[in-house]
Amino acid sequence: AQSVAQPEDQVNVAEGNPLTVKCTYSVSGNPYLFWYVQYPNRGLQFLLKYITGDNLVKGSYGFEAEFNKSQTSFHLKKPSALVSDSALYFCAVRATGTYKYIFGTGTRLKVLA
Amino acid sequence: AAGVIQSPRHLIKEKRETATLKCYPIPRHDTVYWYQQGPGQDPQFLISFYEKMQSDKGSIPDRFSAQQFSDYHSELNMSSLELGDSALYFCASSQRGQTNEQYFGPGTRLTVT
Repeated sequence: AQSVAQPEDQVNVAEGNPLTVKCTYSVSGNPYLFWYVQYPNRGLQFLLKYITGDNLVKGSYGFEAEFNKSQTSFHLKKPSALVSDSALYFCAVRATGTYKYIFGTGTRLKVLA
Repeated sequence: AAGVIQSPRHLIKEKRETATLKCYPIPRHDTVYWYQQGPGQDPQFLISFYEKMQSDKGSIPDRFSAQQFSDYHSELNMSSLELGDSALYFCASSQRGQTNEQYFGPGTRLTVT
């Protein structure tokens, strides 16, 4: 079965420090991986995606993600966190042969001033 | 830039009533997706349409139905509402293609009393 796991319910980081939000996946075939951010009472906003090519993907708002095939991971990173980055982050994989997303359970990022 | 439009933004219904949620995709997007997000939950895929035809089906209850119209907008019809249907319902749109990201609307918050 295809799935996505976000092992941390919450991540706390001090402003200015680097942040990592973890995601691992299980799919058959080539994975198409996505990160979204959700602010309270808002829709999901697309941050970045990995389709093929360079393992380091750069996205919106200074975020980047590293695809690691051997570890089946797609961790979201940012070199210097901002308080405004505090939100709920979802990793998603596009199920092979379909167009729907399978989402992880989400990780709440809290950046402390 | 134009975004996905959903209406209404909030809806309160009583048990056993019906509800209709509307979604207007981004111009030139031919695929529409519906997701349900319960409190503190990740979005769960319900159903999707491509060129007015159902393309994928997820965990959509038999009490729910949906369609996509000639102008590409979509409607999610929900009947015999139950308390457990209270959730945030997102519509997303994209151009067809597994590598294309989905863009989400702001959601409709449905409360069933």
